[in-house]
Amino acid sequence: NAGVTQTPKFRVLKTGQSMTLLCAQDMNHEYMYWYRQDPGMGLRLIHYSVGEGTTAKGEVPDGYNVSRLKKQNFLLGLESAAPSQTSVYFCASSYSDGGSDNEQFFGPGTRLTVL
Amino acid sequence: AQSVTQLGSHVSVSEGALVLLRCNYSSSVPPYLFWYVQYPNQGLQLLLKYTTGATLVKGINGFEAEFKKSETSFHLTKPSAHMSDAAEYFCAVTLSGSARQLTFGSGTQLTVLP
Repeated sequence: NAGVTQTPKFRVLKTGQSMTLLCAQDMNHEYMYWYRQDPGMGLRLIHYSVGEGTTAKGEVPDGYNVSRLKKQNFLLGLESAAPSQTSVYFCASSYSDGGSDNEQFFGPGTRLTVL
Repeated sequence: AQSVTQLGSHVSVSEGALVLLRCNYSSSVPPYLFWYVQYPNQGLQLLLKYTTGATLVKGINGFEAEFKKSETSFHLTKPSAHMSDAAEYFCAVTLSGSARQLTFGSGTQLTVLP
């Protein structure tokens, strides 16, 4: 049981380049989330998904796109990277959105630098 | 609207001393409150959470937190710090328990001195 895994762990991009971050979970969770973590700001929600084939915007969605073609995978895309997107990106999943099963399980993170 | 304030971005304690990490929230309705821990180069891990019922919540690794509605606080404590407790700690709040509406505090880095 690997939990939540993220690929890659590190990446350096030049301004304007594109890339996709992959998140995979093996816990059969319905809900998946993408966060970014910046110094002194905690975690902020970029996009989330409430099930296979669904996505929704979070607090800071601009410049990012997501897809959830399979229940276990949640992809985060940057079409044209900007230095402001330099951050650590975390994926998380949960069984449900509310109640006693709303605990989020986090991946180890992807450290992205945009030059 | 909801918000979380963690007082003190860095806290240092000696090994064996009391750990106290402060968290205050603002919420228009009764909140669900969480504490997460992040060890270096790892993702966040849930320490404990308050939903309803008993206001003193016990979590993993000997940590506990008390929900005080009158003070709008949810401070995290541990009676005796261990070197392995060195990490960053995040308080988070959500209304109605919705995980996709979690609001995180800015974090407190705990250093444990030998």
